[in-house]
Amino acid sequence: DTEVTQTPKHLVMGMTNKKSLKCEQHMGHRAMYWYKQKAKKPPELMFVYSYEKLSINESVPSRFSPECPNSSLLNLHLHALQPEDSALYLCASSLSGTTQEQFFGPGTRLTVL
Amino acid sequence: ELKVEQNPLFLSMQEGKNYTIYCNYSTTSDRLYWYRQDPGKSLESLFVLLSNGAVKQEGRLMASLDTKARLSTLHITAAVHDLSATYFCAVSGGTSYGKLTFGQGTILTVHP
Repeated sequence: DTEVTQTPKHLVMGMTNKKSLKCEQHMGHRAMYWYKQKAKKPPELMFVYSYEKLSINESVPSRFSPECPNSSLLNLHLHALQPEDSALYLCASSLSGTTQEQFFGPGTRLTVL
Repeated sequence: ELKVEQNPLFLSMQEGKNYTIYCNYSTTSDRLYWYRQDPGKSLESLFVLLSNGAVKQEGRLMASLDTKARLSTLHITAAVHDLSATYFCAVSGGTSYGKLTFGQGTILTVHP
């Protein structure tokens, strides 16, 4: 298996909802990443997990809560989001948390109403 | 802080023509990556450049790296419509372990 999968593909939520995004890879990669991408902009790093431990948090608001239950799975829990949080959320993985090539999943298109 | 700048940001080309996208970065880096993104889609890895003087080619695209000048180029030869997409360069290294810093992206449109 040589891909990163993400579910759901699309998500619409209200500002009071709680939802989660899921990312999975079975390539034996030990680093996983969450990025946020607004239209016509480059991806912005949110979190990095290396060997299931959070190694980078790019000052992301607490309404985004990452979780790495095991080396293959990465979740992003969402609560009390704002309309400006609407974006494409991309998950990526790499062999390790060093400067290895990152492979991206298809993304979740999130709309906050 | 590591900064990455691409130019041009918008590129409109005719089929069959050649052009180059430039990527400059501000501090010493370990690796440089080129990604392609189609509208509404994810990022597809094109090239990984590891060392000074590295050159890689795939089809009509060729990427090179000059670490002394802190410059990478993505050269397009005899463009075809299928190459229309957004191209990002990204640099790893700097002070944050595991972090990629992306350029602004170049939106390439190839016209018949």
